[in-house]
Amino acid sequence: DVKVTQSSRYLVKRTGEKVFLECVQDMDHENMFWYRQDPGLGLRLIYFSYDVKMKEKGDIPEGYSVSREKKERFSLILESASTNQTSMYLCASSQFRARYEQYFGPGTRLTVT
Amino acid sequence: RKEVEQDPGPFNVPEGATVAFNCTYSNSASQSFFWYRQDCRKEPKLLMSVYSSGNEDGRFTAQLNRASQYISLLIRDSKLSDSATYLCAAEAAGNKLTFGGGTRVLVKP
Repeated sequence: DVKVTQSSRYLVKRTGEKVFLECVQDMDHENMFWYRQDPGLGLRLIYFSYDVKMKEKGDIPEGYSVSREKKERFSLILESASTNQTSMYLCASSQFRARYEQYFGPGTRLTVT
Repeated sequence: RKEVEQDPGPFNVPEGATVAFNCTYSNSASQSFFWYRQDCRKEPKLLMSVYSSGNEDGRFTAQLNRASQYISLLIRDSKLSDSATYLCAAEAAGNKLTFGGGTRVLVKP
């Protein structure tokens, strides 16, 4: 079974803090994704990566950056957390040839106060 | 207009009944569509892929209507364990998936 793990289930940070969310997958998937999920807005893509050291902006990249130094790990960085970044953050991965058949991690619920 | 739209529900379904709900998409170039299932406080999991006119997997049937730009999901003989939020997703420009807001289904005894 594909396993996608995320560093924290719950996180509380203060406004202005730098926040790191980490995601690790164990199936040698080429593609990795970061989404946020908010009530009424569904899943929205923040950033994705098709290879090590490669990144592409999703639909809502403002206020976020990412890092992919190793194939299995994809980090989401909030440079200066703001209250409107309070959300559920979901990481996903997929094979290169089945990029849309994504496997999700359990999510990190981030609260910025 | 959102790229992928779903009726949020909830659809209240008696156990054993059939329920169907739709998802509309705006990008006529989309070729691939997906249904994901998300249980309460859990991550989404892929339920079904739809690459042509439709797909069937046990009690679940997905159909694609390109002319009217919608995908449907039908659940037959509903089980209590089918209670979940069903997310529709469509292939979008730039090798991305665009998700709908989800349809909540509650199966009741």
